[in-house]
Amino acid sequence: EVQLVESGGSVVRPGGSLRLSCVASGFSLDDYGMSWVRQAPGKGLEWVSGVDWSGSKKGYADSVRDRFTVSRDNAKNSLYLQMNSLRAEDTALYHCARGGHYSDSSSYIPYMDVWGKGTTVTVSS
Amino acid sequence: DIVLTQSPGTLSLSPGERATLSCRASQSVSSNYLAWYQQNPGQAPRLLIYGASSRATGIPDRFSGSGSGTDFTLTISRLEPEDFAVFYCQHYGRSPLTFGGGTKVEIK
Repeated sequence: EVQLVESGGSVVRPGGSLRLSCVASGFSLDDYGMSWVRQAPGKGLEWVSGVDWSGSKKGYADSVRDRFTVSRDNAKNSLYLQMNSLRAEDTALYHCARGGHYSDSSSYIPYMDVWGKGTTVTVSS
Repeated sequence: DIVLTQSPGTLSLSPGERATLSCRASQSVSSNYLAWYQQNPGQAPRLLIYGASSRATGIPDRFSGSGSGTDFTLTISRLEPEDFAVFYCQHYGRSPLTFGGGTKVEIK
């Protein structure tokens, strides 16, 4: 079964750091670009960050650029999101998704066809 | 960035009725790179439609997508109980990907 499982969410103080992980099963991660998408309580979906299949091309939403870093370890079939200088407005459910960033050397970014259930990040003093 | 505006914000319908959801883009969506997702409470989003009109694997044929350019529509021909959810449109193909604000389909 194709599956994505996130972990690492927690309650953290403003200015703190957190590292989210996403483990893929049922498919080989290195065939796909991957993304993080978040959803604040009661709000809609927001693309946060994406990384291409190799880990060399990365993209970030303006709201998180210079604070968040996406990475991947294809050997471990895993995706990561390092979150620094966290703010209250980063409070959200963070989903890992297959797609949403470059899968190969072309400039095409595919849709997101597999999603994890998410891990909750709460930034509060 | 392409801004996607979904309407209505909430649609109140009964099971068996037809639902028509709209997604309007601030500029033309190239190659109709427009997707629709369904999100039931407490669950992850599920891909329904890509390429504006192609159903994703396993999606029932009561779901259909149409449109081109800046105006897109998701139609659910006959609402089943599990279809009462929030639906999002999204443009893809180039960065940055953006989502619409969502349409909630609720039981009347």
